[in-house]
Amino acid sequence: DIVMTQSPDSLAVSLGERATINCKSSQTVLHRSINKNYLAWYQQKPGQPPKLLIYWASTRESGVPDRFSGSGSGTDFTLTISSLQAEDVAVYYCQQYYGTPPFTFGPGTKVDIK
Amino acid sequence: EVQLLESGGGLVQPGGSLRLSCAASGFTFQHYAMTWVRQAPGKGLEWVSAVSGNGDDIFYAPSVKGRFTISRDNSTLYLRMNSLRAEDTAIYYCAKTRGASYFDHWGQGTLVTVSS
Repeated sequence: DIVMTQSPDSLAVSLGERATINCKSSQTVLHRSINKNYLAWYQQKPGQPPKLLIYWASTRESGVPDRFSGSGSGTDFTLTISSLQAEDVAVYYCQQYYGTPPFTFGPGTKVDIK
Repeated sequence: EVQLLESGGGLVQPGGSLRLSCAASGFTFQHYAMTWVRQAPGKGLEWVSAVSGNGDDIFYAPSVKGRFTISRDNSTLYLRMNSLRAEDTAIYYCAKTRGASYFDHWGQGTLVTVSS
């Protein structure tokens, strides 16, 4: 199974500042023949189910603000919140969906306001 | 509007059984794979089981294989859980699964507590 790790475990960022979350997979999730990375990002606010933010590592889901962006390829990925808003306080998870299941999640990164 | 409504959770003793349901509406159910994802209290997300749109392809996490059974009918997803253990205690979410298996809509979840 592919193991996902995230860093940091938590971070506190001032309103309007940039937040950066890293995700690493134990093996590549890049499907070279179609040049797509099988990697998604989710946001989970307290008491709510997760919400899809990004898929294919960098494609923003419809309705997601453009301050959220995803980047990376192969085994190393980044979620960036360009200008943190109060409503962005949440836990963020990466998830790989390469090959056959199980499609594992990272342990999560908690984002707070400094 | 896509809606997913889980039910069937509750308190069960170790070794017991439960069947979870997820009623789906707002999309053509048979066109989409569906997945169960769980979250233990205060912990992260764990992929549990998935079924293809036509029900032909089924997958399980190693932690539940042989104990859980996923199934579906025209508009409802199910998870039959047998031989439950304390470590199965979690909120169970059903998720509409897009294409290559990421999740674009989630239910609110149903809590399963395994305790004597």
